[in-house]
Amino acid sequence: AQSVTQLDSHVSVSEGTPVLLRCNYSSSYSPSLFWYVQHPNKGLQLLLKYTSAATLVKGINGFEAEFKKSETSFHLTKPSAHMSDAAEYFCVAAGGTSYGKLTFGQGTILTVHP
Amino acid sequence: EAGVAQSPRYKIIEKRQSVAFWCNPISGHATLYWYQQILGQGPKLLIQFQNNGVVDDSQLPKDRFSAERLKGVDSTLKIQPAKLEDSAVYLCASSPGASGFYNEQFFGPGTRLTVL
Repeated sequence: AQSVTQLDSHVSVSEGTPVLLRCNYSSSYSPSLFWYVQHPNKGLQLLLKYTSAATLVKGINGFEAEFKKSETSFHLTKPSAHMSDAAEYFCVAAGGTSYGKLTFGQGTILTVHP
Repeated sequence: EAGVAQSPRYKIIEKRQSVAFWCNPISGHATLYWYQQILGQGPKLLIQFQNNGVVDDSQLPKDRFSAERLKGVDSTLKIQPAKLEDSAVYLCASSPGASGFYNEQFFGPGTRLTVL
């Protein structure tokens, strides 16, 4: 079985400051990992994905994430937050016996202050 | 290309009533998923279809939930009878590949169900 834990339910930053959203995973195999973003009343959108290639993954809108197997982490970062980044972010794992089935973390709500 | 379409967007019903949600996936996508997202939680997979066959329904409460994907295109999810704890957003997603191999899932806007 696999599980995903997002360490912060809410993160608040000022516009122009760095963003860090933390995610740890638990798995008996090497999973594929993803970050999705959900804006209010919108569908989930894929930000980036890690599938055992480069450990530093770049996504859309300036986001990136680094896979650290020794720490079982996949934290999402962005150097400078924009107001439009305010949304809920989900760390997601896929793989194992139900390859293709996604396991979602609980979500982190990002608030960006002007 | 058009995204995943879902209707209705919002639904309010009394407990013990029945309700149905509809999903039209992206054209050509073989795999279709229904998720339940309770407030404050991440989405949970209810059922996964490969064309018109069920691949995984292990977390579908089969005593009250049912789903079908006739002709391997659009899909309906039904709840009968509804309970208060069914209040959630129901998300539909589709992906182009066969089940058993990860392909990016594309999500619809969801249907927000409130059970009173």
